[in-house]
Amino acid sequence: DGGITQSPKYLFRKEGQNVTLSCEQNLNHDAMYWYRQDPGQGLRLIYYSQIVNDFQKGDIAEGYSVSREKKESFPLTVTSAQKNPTAFYLCASSIGGLVNTEAFFGQGTRLTVV
Amino acid sequence: SQQGEEDPQALSIQEGENATMNCSYKTSINNLQWYRQNSGRGLVHLILIRSNEREKHSGRLRVTLDTSKKSSSLLITASRAADTASYFCATDGGGTSYGKLTFGQGTILTVHP
Repeated sequence: DGGITQSPKYLFRKEGQNVTLSCEQNLNHDAMYWYRQDPGQGLRLIYYSQIVNDFQKGDIAEGYSVSREKKESFPLTVTSAQKNPTAFYLCASSIGGLVNTEAFFGQGTRLTVV
Repeated sequence: SQQGEEDPQALSIQEGENATMNCSYKTSINNLQWYRQNSGRGLVHLILIRSNEREKHSGRLRVTLDTSKKSSSLLITASRAADTASYFCATDGGGTSYGKLTFGQGTILTVHP
């Protein structure tokens, strides 16, 4: 099945720890995105990548880091510098380029600081 | 900051009724998209309307776009209990940020059987 897979579904982090959220897609999409969603809120863009080996900061990049070494993968690291990391994290991908196209979303990772 | 503002924040209707949700945005767009999210799940794309289109249909969904007022509406006709979800509008600003979507706060729709 083609799609976008996030893991794990639930993640618990201790204060001061870095954690990495996985996002893999087999849709052959060039563009990938990470969003954060807080309860009752919309999505806010953390980082996005329009092509392999390149990525840009979104609206709330502080305390997060990403890499895009492979087209299929776009992992997000939540660092200890992120003061309020408890949230629902969503990864998405799209064809990319200058086309009108939809985004495909994974099922999300719920991160909780304990 | 959020590009879109959605109205209403919550909507409660009976099965069979129509549901209308509105979205306003601030800057010029390349396209506007509507997504649906079931509780605790990822988003699912519903429909995309380009900036040069005024209306689009897909099954029971009807979307309108008024670029002069920077607003869009999503109409779900003959609603069903299974339509219960959160609905988000998202704008694609085009240019160098092509494909980068900015989401509204969402409308929570509850359809009672």
